[in-house]
Amino acid sequence: DQQVKQNSPSLSVQEGRISILNCDYTNSMFDYFLWYKKYPAEGPTFLISISSIKDKNEDGRFTVFLNKRAKHLSLHIVPSQPGDSAVYFCAASSGGFKTIFGAGTRLFVKA
Amino acid sequence: SQTIHQWPATLVQPVGSPLSLECTVEGTSNPNLYWYRQAAGRGLQLLFYSVGIGQISSEVPQNLSASRPQDRQFILSSKKLLLSDSGFYLCAWTRPPNTEAFFGQGTRLTVV
Repeated sequence: DQQVKQNSPSLSVQEGRISILNCDYTNSMFDYFLWYKKYPAEGPTFLISISSIKDKNEDGRFTVFLNKRAKHLSLHIVPSQPGDSAVYFCAASSGGFKTIFGAGTRLFVKA
Repeated sequence: SQTIHQWPATLVQPVGSPLSLECTVEGTSNPNLYWYRQAAGRGLQLLFYSVGIGQISSEVPQNLSASRPQDRQFILSSKKLLLSDSGFYLCAWTRPPNTEAFFGQGTRLTVV
């Protein structure tokens, strides 16, 4: 039973355009959501997070939106750059402890 | 600053051989420690987590075990590897109350 789902295995975007990565979750007890970025043969690195008491968090080119009613969150990257090409993992946590990850979405940003 | 070391980076082991992957964290105390495995199409699967020395919780019943002999050391082991144990293993730590996890570089394990 996947509690965190990323239904798009890959996404291709032109440089300079917006990248939108989506994530759905099923556990209403999750109170913290995170996005990680991963390059091949490396560990994931933390990108941005959002608490369940908020619906938006912005950090430079990255913005995460949370829709608790729909149990959906998304990561927007504007403008997209070739260096953003990586696998992006959505993750969720309850009580700040165990973190459950989605399957990841591979983003290709074309120059 | 905090750092996490995980080794080896790659490992090729025959079926039935033992396994020991080690992870150490520097620059912090009493971290929560985690072992994840990345499998194709499954994302990062949580295998074990630990909130303190000698305290291990298993998330998925399998051929692996974990131990935490020291505060900042986390070890993943197996007595007899199976082909299905192949994968990319990641160690991570968090420092409550922060939820952001910091990952090691990972170990690519191939069981042949």
